[in-house]
Amino acid sequence: AQSVTQPDIHITVSEGASLELRCNYSYGATPYLFWYVQSPGQGLQLLLKYFSGDTLVQGIKGFEAEFKRSQSSFNLRKPSVHWSDAAEYFCAVGANNAGNMLTFGGGTRLMVKP
Amino acid sequence: EAGVAQSPRYKIIEKRQSVAFWCNPISGHATLYWYQQILGQGPKLLIQFQNNGVVDDSQLPKDRFSAERLKGVDSTLKIQPAKLEDSAVYLCASSLNTGGQPQHFGDGTRLSIL
Repeated sequence: AQSVTQPDIHITVSEGASLELRCNYSYGATPYLFWYVQSPGQGLQLLLKYFSGDTLVQGIKGFEAEFKRSQSSFNLRKPSVHWSDAAEYFCAVGANNAGNMLTFGGGTRLMVKP
Repeated sequence: EAGVAQSPRYKIIEKRQSVAFWCNPISGHATLYWYQQILGQGPKLLIQFQNNGVVDDSQLPKDRFSAERLKGVDSTLKIQPAKLEDSAVYLCASSLNTGGQPQHFGDGTRLSIL
């Protein structure tokens, strides 16, 4: 069975600073990997996804993530954080079969200091 | 394109009462998911439908939870009787199909059990 660990429950960064959110997964084969963002009182919005190919994936809102098979990681990055990026971020792994079921990490809450 | 619609947005009931949630997926999406998101945690899959058939309901507490998607479009999730630990946000998502297709989420129903 697959699992996802997001080691950082809370992260605070200053506006304009760079950001990296960590995600480690456990899965027996090459997984599908996703990052979602959730603002208070709202559902989850897809930021980016990795299926195969180029290990550096570009997403919306200036986010990118890098798949590192050797480290079983899929960390999310942004070079310059905006106050509107404050939200909860979830990493998810999907099984590489027909089921399409996602397993989510516990989330990282990002706070942005002015 | 219209997103995933869920209602109601909020529901407060007493324990042992029953409650139902409704979801209308994105038009043309064959796969529909119900997730439970307890405060401070990532979403956990309860049930997945492919058209009007159940793909996976292994994490659905079947003694009190039920779900249906009779015509392969809208879906309802019911809890009867509710317990205190059912307090959570219930998220509905849909995807075009399986095979790694990204899931699109509704804004959820926040359920509080008194």
